[in-house]
Amino acid sequence: EAQVTQNPRYLITVTGKKLTVTCSQNMNHEYMSWYRQDPGLGLRQIYYSMNVEVTDKGDVPEGYKVSRKEKRNFPLILESPSPNQTSLYFCASSFNRGVPDTQYFGPGTRLTVL
Amino acid sequence: SQKIEQNSEALNIQEGKTATLTCNYTNYSPAYLQWYRQDPGRGPVFLLLIRENEKEKRKERLKVTFDTTLKQSLFHITASQPADSATYLCALPWGGGNKLTFGTGTQLKVEL
Repeated sequence: EAQVTQNPRYLITVTGKKLTVTCSQNMNHEYMSWYRQDPGLGLRQIYYSMNVEVTDKGDVPEGYKVSRKEKRNFPLILESPSPNQTSLYFCASSFNRGVPDTQYFGPGTRLTVL
Repeated sequence: SQKIEQNSEALNIQEGKTATLTCNYTNYSPAYLQWYRQDPGRGPVFLLLIRENEKEKRKERLKVTFDTTLKQSLFHITASQPADSATYLCALPWGGGNKLTFGTGTQLKVEL
């Protein structure tokens, strides 16, 4: 089944404790992206990647890191999480290189930073 | 960046009626526009994509229009059903087409 998976689905952590949210897709998509969703602000793009070893900032990259060492994986790293990073996070992927065409979203990761 | 406006107030309609949702954008006209559906606590699901040279696009009970002069897209669901109740998001590319900006979405409630 074609899908985007994220882990963990739920995470409660404390300020400053480094964490990684994994994202994997099995559709051989070149374009992958991370979003956060907050009430009243909607979905905002954090980082995106057009291919392996190619990443770039979205609208709200501060406090986040990403890497794209393999085509299928695009982990989101929070080196020192803070409470304002409490949010619902979505990973997405699409086929078209360099163009965020039809995006397939993962199920989401609900992160709480205390 | 691109700014998108969607009606933040929920739209309540009766089953069987046509729901019409609006997406307005500022700044430059995008090469295409997308519509997604999102159910509570779940990831958005792609519905339709319409390109700048297309006035209208249809898929089953869904219809999307794209008016680059008005900088507006309309999303219609005909013969609406309670199962259509969800939040609908529009999205536009920007930053050379590599980035995607989403509207905050409009919640649709279809009542029996």
